[in-house]
Amino acid sequence: EAEVAQSPRYKITEKSQAVAFWCDPISGHATLYWYRQILGQGPELLVQFQDESVVDDSQLPKDRFSAERLKGVDSTLKIQPAELGDSAMYLCASSWGAVGGTEAFFGQGTRLTVV
Amino acid sequence: QQQVKQSPQSLIVQKGGISIINCAYENTAFDYFPWYQQFPGKGPALLIAIRPDVSEKKEGRFTISFNKSAKQFSLHIMDSQPGDSATYFCAASKASGTYKYIFGTGTRLKVLA
Repeated sequence: EAEVAQSPRYKITEKSQAVAFWCDPISGHATLYWYRQILGQGPELLVQFQDESVVDDSQLPKDRFSAERLKGVDSTLKIQPAELGDSAMYLCASSWGAVGGTEAFFGQGTRLTVV
Repeated sequence: QQQVKQSPQSLIVQKGGISIINCAYENTAFDYFPWYQQFPGKGPALLIAIRPDVSEKKEGRFTISFNKSAKQFSLHIMDSQPGDSATYFCAASKASGTYKYIFGTGTRLKVLA
């Protein structure tokens, strides 16, 4: 069964260091999402790609976060410098279509702990 | 306008009982309402979804009830089982255009054996 792949599964980093997460969506899925989920809360969208273009990054803290999907396939989310408040689960999801009414498939996430 | 309010925050149900989770939204432009199930350490997985052209959708033991005038929708889990113990998130989106999912805050369900 096709699934969204994310790595690493867990990451511990020191405050002010750089950290990067990788996501490989389901093959053929044009839309890719990065969500942040703080413990006990629902996922919150950080950035949404349609192919290689960003369609929504309104909630991405652009002073420290960056995301790219250069060839419209896999994607990288980077944080530099990391802050204590960035500790969370970072979820990648993908869907086949551009429309919001299509099912989003989530990966298992990267659990980030900033110390 | 963008929020989806979910309740209760946590729920304990006896095996065989009915679990009910409620959500309310404000943006009348939303027209796609999925429910996601998340087990510890895993990403959310789509459970069932509804569009506002119907008031109810049933898949196995899971039913979504939708009240368009009240801008509310709910998930009913019939004959709840210990394996249903997970966190459930409602969400809302627009079924056209490149629109994001807005998630509720989640309900942690525990079904006692």
